[in-house]
Amino acid sequence: DTGVSQDPRHKITKRGQNVTFRCDPISEHNRLYWYRQTLGQGPEFLTYFQNEAQLEKSRLLSDRFSAERPKGSFSTLEIQRTEQGDSAMYLCASSLDAVNYGYTFGSGTRLTVV
Amino acid sequence: RKEVEQDPGPFNVPEGATVAFNCTYSNSASQSFFWYRQDCRKEPKLLMSVYSSGNEDGRFTAQLNRASQYISLLIRDSKLSDSATYLCVVDHQAGTALIFGKGTTLSVSS
Repeated sequence: DTGVSQDPRHKITKRGQNVTFRCDPISEHNRLYWYRQTLGQGPEFLTYFQNEAQLEKSRLLSDRFSAERPKGSFSTLEIQRTEQGDSAMYLCASSLDAVNYGYTFGSGTRLTVV
Repeated sequence: RKEVEQDPGPFNVPEGATVAFNCTYSNSASQSFFWYRQDCRKEPKLLMSVYSSGNEDGRFTAQLNRASQYISLLIRDSKLSDSATYLCVVDHQAGTALIFGKGTTLSVSS
């Protein structure tokens, strides 16, 4: 499988718990993006990396959220002290030439905070 | 003004119909434009890029009007399988992350 891989596909957690999601991009893609999508909305940008450098963070990314891409390959997104408002689909995407070819998305991780 | 605006629909059309979606964007410095398709509970998938001169891919035609800052998608001879949400996507400025509209829902019926 040479697509973008996300794990887990689904996560149910209790409010206040920490969760971590993983994304494995297409291997030759140097850029990796995290988005969040709730019902009836388009994907909302959270953050992106070029190789291991985190180049941009959205104001949506509160201090409870942290993302890493330590070796410029896979990335993790951690949410600390989850809240019910964090329930959403978390989408990871990667690109080599986003200007001309856009992104390729993974299947997403659906988070439910109860 | 929101960065990318679309009519959410839904657009309900019969098979064989022609349907058009419009999208407006706020940043005149935007350089990259796309239409993505998203099926229910699935990830968005690139449908087509949008070029300044307009471009066509089979039954799909995309156009860009920089002066008015809008993008359009025309679907001819609609199929049942075209039922999905269509997302208008624009870069905020060159080299930055892409901004997605909320999407326009299309339902094609027999």
